[in-house]
Amino acid sequence: KAGVTQTPRYLIKTRGQQVTLSCSPISGHRSVSWYQQTPGQGLQFLFEYFSETQRNKGNFPGRFSGRQFSNSRSEMNVSTLELGDSALYLCASSSGKLAGGSTDTQYFGPGTRLTVL
Amino acid sequence: AQSVTQLDSQVPVFEEAPVELRCNYSSSVSVYLFWYVQYPNQGLQLLLKYLSGSTLVKGINGFEAEFNKSQTSFHLRKPSVHISDTAEYFCAVSEPQAAGNKLTFGGGTRVLVKP
Repeated sequence: KAGVTQTPRYLIKTRGQQVTLSCSPISGHRSVSWYQQTPGQGLQFLFEYFSETQRNKGNFPGRFSGRQFSNSRSEMNVSTLELGDSALYLCASSSGKLAGGSTDTQYFGPGTRLTVL
Repeated sequence: AQSVTQLDSQVPVFEEAPVELRCNYSSSVSVYLFWYVQYPNQGLQLLLKYLSGSTLVKGINGFEAEFNKSQTSFHLRKPSVHISDTAEYFCAVSEPQAAGNKLTFGGGTRVLVKP
């Protein structure tokens, strides 16, 4: 099976712009989670989508949003970019077979490195 | 709220020597525990996880971890490291009662294996 793919791998934007990142989960996986990784704050959970519905949300401002399509592919959007949004954005997919979900193994993609100038 | 503390930000170790990476967590409820590894310019890969049962968990690449409920710890060990083990290691927790996937990560431990 192909792994989790994320596009683009690298992105440079300027303050005030918006950006959309894409994640294609492993075939058959229904859950997609997004994480932000920065040197200062480490790995932080953004949100999770399951069957096109947001199931979990982290503590990020409303500028960060996401969605999931019927084929389980997910996008996240950041509007009005700030310098502090520079980070590696990781997507993880899991099968979502279990109702709870927390025992599912999450498979991570290589990430999208966003630089905000 | 949960929190995870990885006590060492960097661990230098010689090739073929043992290594232990320390992880402590804080939670008011029971948790599931995970160790992930991140190689340069890559995503995270699951090494092992503790859900229930035996407190000694064996993972991939010769790693193992021991869950200690009284000390709220989940330390990762490998008896003999290789150069290829140079990477950053993350401990994480999730809540069994919570719906869905949400991992809370520690700050990471960089392991540098020296020849």
